[in-house]
Amino acid sequence: DAGVTQSPTHLIKTRGQHVTLRCSPISGHKSVSWYQQVLGQGPQFIFQYYEKEERGRGNFPDRFSARQFPNYSSELNVNALLLGDSALYLCASGGNTGELFFGEGSRLTVL
Amino acid sequence: GESVGLHLPTLSVQEGDNSIINCAYSNSASDYFIWYKQESGKGPQFIIDIRSNMDKRQGQRVTVLLNKTVKHLSLQIAATQPGDSAVYFCAENLGDYKLSFGAGTTVTVRA
Repeated sequence: DAGVTQSPTHLIKTRGQHVTLRCSPISGHKSVSWYQQVLGQGPQFIFQYYEKEERGRGNFPDRFSARQFPNYSSELNVNALLLGDSALYLCASGGNTGELFFGEGSRLTVL
Repeated sequence: GESVGLHLPTLSVQEGDNSIINCAYSNSASDYFIWYKQESGKGPQFIIDIRSNMDKRQGQRVTVLLNKTVKHLSLQIAATQPGDSAVYFCAENLGDYKLSFGAGTTVTVRA
């Protein structure tokens, strides 16, 4: 069975640019959550989507947005990139048990 | 801010010895905790969880202890192996697929 898949795995952007990160949850899972992990820290909650609706949002600026598609895949968008947005962006898939399964992440570097 | 925090950022353990990783939490109403292992370049991987109606839970070579009186939990790894080298996070499950992570403890296993 495929786990949570994220793309791209690595990317480099410059300040002010926009980035789109993608996530496919485990088959049958309807929940997708996004986390930001800055180097040396624990993951920080950004968004949670369930059945295409936003169910939770962390303390992140409006430059961060996300959406979930009918097939339950999800995109995280970040506008007007700042140096501080450099991080590993993790997607987590959730099923009926409430357990979260994480993907390998997308490592974003902002120059 | 974080609802959970780890006591030590690093832990060096001799192969074969037992490891103990500690974590404190601030909210006495917290009732569900999860330990994750994150290897270099990978996403967090579920190890074991515990709910507040339990004091102890055991898995394969791992034990989690929960002391609600002092708001403290620990992860014990028996007979630590080189493959146990990773960053370990305690996380509070806030419900709705939302997790609050601590900063992480880096465990290094010495041969």
